[in-house]
Amino acid sequence: AQKITQTQPGMFVQEKEAVTLDCTYDTSDPSYGLFWYKQPSSGEMIFLIYQGSYDQQNATEGRYSLNFQKARKSANLVISASQLGDSAMYFCAMRELSSQGGSEKLVFGKGTKLTVNP
Amino acid sequence: DTAVSQTPKYLVTQMGNDKSIKCEQNLGHDTMYWYKQDSKKFLKIMFSYNNKELIINETVPNRFSPKSPDKAHLNLHINSLELGDSAVYFCASSRAGYEQYFGPGTRLTVT
Repeated sequence: AQKITQTQPGMFVQEKEAVTLDCTYDTSDPSYGLFWYKQPSSGEMIFLIYQGSYDQQNATEGRYSLNFQKARKSANLVISASQLGDSAMYFCAMRELSSQGGSEKLVFGKGTKLTVNP
Repeated sequence: DTAVSQTPKYLVTQMGNDKSIKCEQNLGHDTMYWYKQDSKKFLKIMFSYNNKELIINETVPNRFSPKSPDKAHLNLHINSLELGDSAVYFCASSRAGYEQYFGPGTRLTVT
């Protein structure tokens, strides 16, 4: 079963509008972390925002905010005032402990391709 | 002042060859990783090293051998390359409990 599900293969948004990228996760661990990464067409992976499972407030970083609904196991990324440079692939990821040595690893969703139209 | 660097950025080689990808981080992180991104953009962890010690090996073929000479470096050597090895390989590093920082990726094409 997928641990991270991103149901939107592609999304379109008009410049200056807000957009929400969906992410649901599956874990039985009480302690976990959720991340969003951006991958522009140039290929690098850029860390955007982090939400810890015990954090009381939703994370925000500039125009990025994370709509964390723990009971629903969702961690949606909200981008406000979209810009053309926001066009990219967006990956939701969950940090989980590996059964090997207790080290952490990231488990990624399949990504959402966001296109911002002028 | 690059945080995580990888070389080379592109690698084109023939089936059966052996190749290496190098990774270095200057963030002082204890843990380094290799991820593989396939043609459908799916990212999956391959290996994790903590302080030069292999911690995670996610059912990767024996043809892939990571080596960490010190905690700032993690190299990936691939023997007997196959067509299916074509992918983008990302190195990453982190402190425990914090976000992972990724290198620029190495696009490997096996012909």
